[in-house]
Amino acid sequence: KNQVEQSPQSLIILEGKNCTLQCNYTVSPFSNLRWYKQDTGRGPVSLTIMTFSENTKSNGRYTATLDADTKQSSLHITASQLSDSASYICVVSARGYQKVTFGIGTKLQVIP
Amino acid sequence: DAGVIQSPRHEVTEMGQEVTLRCKPISGHDYLFWYRQTMMRGLELLIYFNNNVPIDDSGMPEDRFSAKMPNASFSTLKIQPSEPRDSAVYFCASSLAAEGNTEAFFGQGTRLTVV
Repeated sequence: KNQVEQSPQSLIILEGKNCTLQCNYTVSPFSNLRWYKQDTGRGPVSLTIMTFSENTKSNGRYTATLDADTKQSSLHITASQLSDSASYICVVSARGYQKVTFGIGTKLQVIP
Repeated sequence: DAGVIQSPRHEVTEMGQEVTLRCKPISGHDYLFWYRQTMMRGLELLIYFNNNVPIDDSGMPEDRFSAKMPNASFSTLKIQPSEPRDSAVYFCASSLAAEGNTEAFFGQGTRLTVV
């Protein structure tokens, strides 16, 4: 069964600190992995998309890594800001979009 | 482009009533997706369309749910009759392609409460 597990479920960090969110998946055959940011009351917005051949991708202070062998991905946030407070969702697609699998998400709160 | 537009933003209805959610995808996007999001289960894909044709509705929970896409710029998700367990946020998203290095753009969502 295709599954995506994220950890931690929630996280509180001080403004300016770094953090790393984890995503483990058992989706096959693997097509791509995406990280979304979802602000409260809004729809998810894509941060990064990685295919099998990519092992790192950056988007400003966000850096995603992918290890296709261990089926793990991480999202690293550098120098966190209050606006980073949101849920971060890992989404893995198998070949054929209908088999997309979502993680529950990690709820991040950045405090002053 | 204004992005994916959903209406209404909030809907409160009584159990047994019919509910219709609406979506306008981004112009030029060939794929449209309907999702449901709850605290317990996160985001779930309900159905998706390609060029207005439903491709996979295996995520639709029951026959009470139906979706249509009469043209490239409009889609509806209907629940009839609605039940309290249908309460959730429903998102519509569109994209240029189904897989690979493409991004799905989400609407703001419709928060449905069935009492």
